[in-house]
Amino acid sequence: DIQMTQSPSSVSASVGDRVTITCRANQGISTSLAWYQQSPGKAPKLLIYAASNLQSGVPSRFSGSGSGTDFSLTITSLQPEDFATYFCQQGKSFPLTFGGGTKVEI
Amino acid sequence: QVQLVESGGGVVQPGTSLRLSCAASGFAFSSYGIHWVRQAPGKGPEWVAVISDDGSYKNYADTVKGRTTISRDNSKNTLFLQLNSLRAEDTAVYYCVKAREKYFESWGQGTLVTVSS
Repeated sequence: DIQMTQSPSSVSASVGDRVTITCRANQGISTSLAWYQQSPGKAPKLLIYAASNLQSGVPSRFSGSGSGTDFSLTITSLQPEDFATYFCQQGKSFPLTFGGGTKVEI
Repeated sequence: QVQLVESGGGVVQPGTSLRLSCAASGFAFSSYGIHWVRQAPGKGPEWVAVISDDGSYKNYADTVKGRTTISRDNSKNTLFLQLNSLRAEDTAVYYCVKAREKYFESWGQGTLVTVSS
């Protein structure tokens, strides 16, 4: 199975900050990576797929980059609704696996 | 708009079975693969199973393989997940999710399964 490791596990930030979250796969996955946002009590929401493609309707302050084993999600100018937990997920092969999550908090 | 509504969750005893359903609307259900993804309390999501658009391909996580069957009825736009020999570690919110390649594009609101004696 492909293991996904996210860092940091939590980050403190303020409205307007730039935040970067990283995700590392234990083997190469090309650009087969997605990012999700989850607010408390809600289902996860797809933000980015194929490492850098913005899902329809997602604000442009979210961006993704990387390939191979190292990936990042960047949120520029953090907004109040962005305080949530973020997960990466590899889409290279089954079983599809998620990272452990990064909580973005005030 | 895409809508996925799960049902069938509840509190059950270890060793028993449960059948979850997911009613889909707002998209061409028979043209998409659909996943079940679960999330235990306070944990990250865990992929459970996938079924192809016509039901000919199915795949399962090792944690549920042999105890679980995914199926679909395209005439009724409905997805199912049969869970057998339930264990405490199966306790989670179960989501049905419309696939975009091997990504999880649209999620339902989830149904909670609690396995407890």
